[in-house]
Amino acid sequence: GQQVMQIPQYQHVQEGEDFTTYCNSSTTLSNIQWYKQRPGGHPVFLIQLVKSGEVKKQKRLTFQFGEAKKNSSLHITATQTTDVGTYFCAGLEYGNKLVFGAGTILRVKS
Amino acid sequence: NAGVMQNPRHLVRRRGQEARLRCSPVKGHSHVYWYRQLPEEGLKFMVYLQKENIIDESGMPKERFSAEFPKEGPSILRIQQVVRGDSAAYFCASSPAGANVLTFGAGSRLTVL
Repeated sequence: GQQVMQIPQYQHVQEGEDFTTYCNSSTTLSNIQWYKQRPGGHPVFLIQLVKSGEVKKQKRLTFQFGEAKKNSSLHITATQTTDVGTYFCAGLEYGNKLVFGAGTILRVKS
Repeated sequence: NAGVMQNPRHLVRRRGQEARLRCSPVKGHSHVYWYRQLPEEGLKFMVYLQKENIIDESGMPKERFSAEFPKEGPSILRIQQVVRGDSAAYFCASSPAGANVLTFGAGSRLTVL
C-alpha cells in the first residue's frame, strides 16, 4: 500500500535558523497537503499542492511539490518560537485515502 | 460555524470496559475520518466513513473496534474490552463531499488503567 515517509523525525534549531522537512511517497500523488500540530493540540491544515513542481509561500513558509509528484518539502526561514510543533505531510493517492507521514517535531531554542 | 466537535475530550477506562468516542463533523461535511495518535508519533488512519457507509476501514483493528456514522447524529468510534495499548489520542476529521482537505477536532484522549 501507499507509504509516506517524512524526515527528519526531530529537529532542534536556534531561533532565527532555517528549518526544512522532507516528505517522500512510494507512489505518485494527486496532491499533497501539509498540517501543523502544536504541542497538545490538533492538526491544522496549512496548504495543499496539486501541480507538478508547484511552489507556494505563506510568509516565512515555502512549500514545494516535486516534478514527479512523489515528494515535497516545507522550508521555514528564520524560525520563531511560534513555529514550534509537529509538521505533517499527507499524500493523496489517486482514488484513495489521505495518508499521513510520521511528522517532523520542530523545537526552537530562544 | 462550529468546527469538528469531539467528546469526551478525556476518557479514563479500566481494562475490559468499553470506550465510546463521538464526533460531530463540520456542518455540511459528509465525510468523517478517524485517526489514532500515540505520544510524539504520527497519525495512523483508522477508518473513513460517509453517512451510513463505511468507505475504508483498512486501519481498524479486526477485533474490538467499530465505527459508525448514522444518518442522524454524530459518528461513533467504539472500542470494546479496552486494553492498556488502546491508550492514545483519537482524532476525528471531516471534509465536504468531493474534497479532501481535512478539518480536525480537538481529539479524545483515552487512558486505560
